[in-house]
Amino acid sequence: DAGVIQSPRHEVTEMGQEVTLRCKPISGHDYLFWYRQTMMRGLELLIYFNNNVPIDDSGMPEDRFSAKMPNASFSTLKIQPSEPRDSAVYFCASSSGLGNTIYFGEGSWLTVV
Amino acid sequence: SQQGEEDPQALSIQEGENATMNCSYKTSINNLQWYRQNSGRGLVHLILIRSNEREKHSGRLRVTLDTSKKSSSLLITASRAADTASYFCATDVSSGYSTLTFGKGTMLLVSP
Repeated sequence: DAGVIQSPRHEVTEMGQEVTLRCKPISGHDYLFWYRQTMMRGLELLIYFNNNVPIDDSGMPEDRFSAKMPNASFSTLKIQPSEPRDSAVYFCASSSGLGNTIYFGEGSWLTVV
Repeated sequence: SQQGEEDPQALSIQEGENATMNCSYKTSINNLQWYRQNSGRGLVHLILIRSNEREKHSGRLRVTLDTSKKSSSLLITASRAADTASYFCATDVSSGYSTLTFGKGTMLLVSP
């Protein structure tokens, strides 16, 4: 398996623009997670899905953030409008079960200027 | 607040030396996992230890778990420059729909 695939790897955008991050989880994994990593706050769970259904979105910082999982092999995290404080590395990850090993993508490095 | 807290925040050693990192947590767990993150990369799973286990080995890695003290340690023996990375502990708490909670990590620098 190719692992969790994220795109884009790097994105620089201007404040106010819409940002869409994409993720393909490992085939057969029922759980998909979106994390954000910054120096100040460390690794934060934003939202996770089970069988394409959002289970816990309490980590989503604001209404500007939204996530979807239209099918078992694709998810998006959207920020609209983006702000400089959204600059971070966003990781998608998947797992075969809660509490099981989590497999991370290589991350999407977002810079909002 | 973070469930798992690693200590120290940063550790600098020479190649060949052993590196020990600690993790403390607050609530009962089902298992505890250690992950490594190389600079600019995603996290990679290293080892999982269940709450009924006390010690586990994987190659040069040794993990211990003390549930009475709510703590775990990761020992890397005979360290190499390639071990330079950040190391995170993650806890699977014993409650409903909670997922793994990560600490802020220990940055390990192994100098040649």
